[in-house]
Amino acid sequence: QSALTQPASVSGSPGQSITISCTGTSSDVGSYNLVSWYQQHPGKAPKLMIYEVSKRPSGVSNRFSGSKSGNTASLTISGLQAEDEADYYCCSYAGSSTSPFGGGTKLTVL
Amino acid sequence: QVQLVQSGAEVKKPGASVKVSCKASGYTFTSYYMHWVRQAPGQGLEWMGIINPSGGSTSYAQKFQGRVTMTRDTSTSTVYMELSSLRSEDTAVYYCARDLSNWGGGMDVWGQGTTVTVSS
Repeated sequence: QSALTQPASVSGSPGQSITISCTGTSSDVGSYNLVSWYQQHPGKAPKLMIYEVSKRPSGVSNRFSGSKSGNTASLTISGLQAEDEADYYCCSYAGSSTSPFGGGTKLTVL
Repeated sequence: QVQLVQSGAEVKKPGASVKVSCKASGYTFTSYYMHWVRQAPGQGLEWMGIINPSGGSTSYAQKFQGRVTMTRDTSTSTVYMELSSLRSEDTAVYYCARDLSNWGGGMDVWGQGTTVTVSS
């Protein structure tokens, strides 16, 4: 059982927006603005999409955005494209002992 | 360019140990913490632990305490992850990943992954 809870799957049509939630506790997501999001295509290494809740690394499309409210962080993808179809994982700093990942969400672009 | 290059695939028998290497290049090795993350076939990402390449301090996920050892060699800019008492459930792809900051900033550079297969 993952420390952070994500929906197993989400889907959307091209051009639409979707949001993936990541629910933790007051010991991780709720205590630190250190949530990151990763995109993983089959057979590939994960790619950092969002760090520190809402910051985008250089080169990541501004269609990707992050936010947090209480113990829940969210990743929003706007203007869905076929290439966005992938697995998405959240991760949170949780004090100097662990950095749990969520269980992952499979995004299907219809 | 910044990159992490990991050692090749391993096949081990139950009870054995495996040591995976991750060689960093293109940046100051001692300035960024390094995570180890694994992914079992068809499963999600699992955080194993972190090492500070500067001083060598480590922190391990509770699940792996006593079985995992992370070390570094600053002369070759390489970090190592050794996992002992292997069982079939340890079959996975193992990744090293650089942290943007000391810890928690996000894992911005990933190795290509090392497949470890545990089978009798």
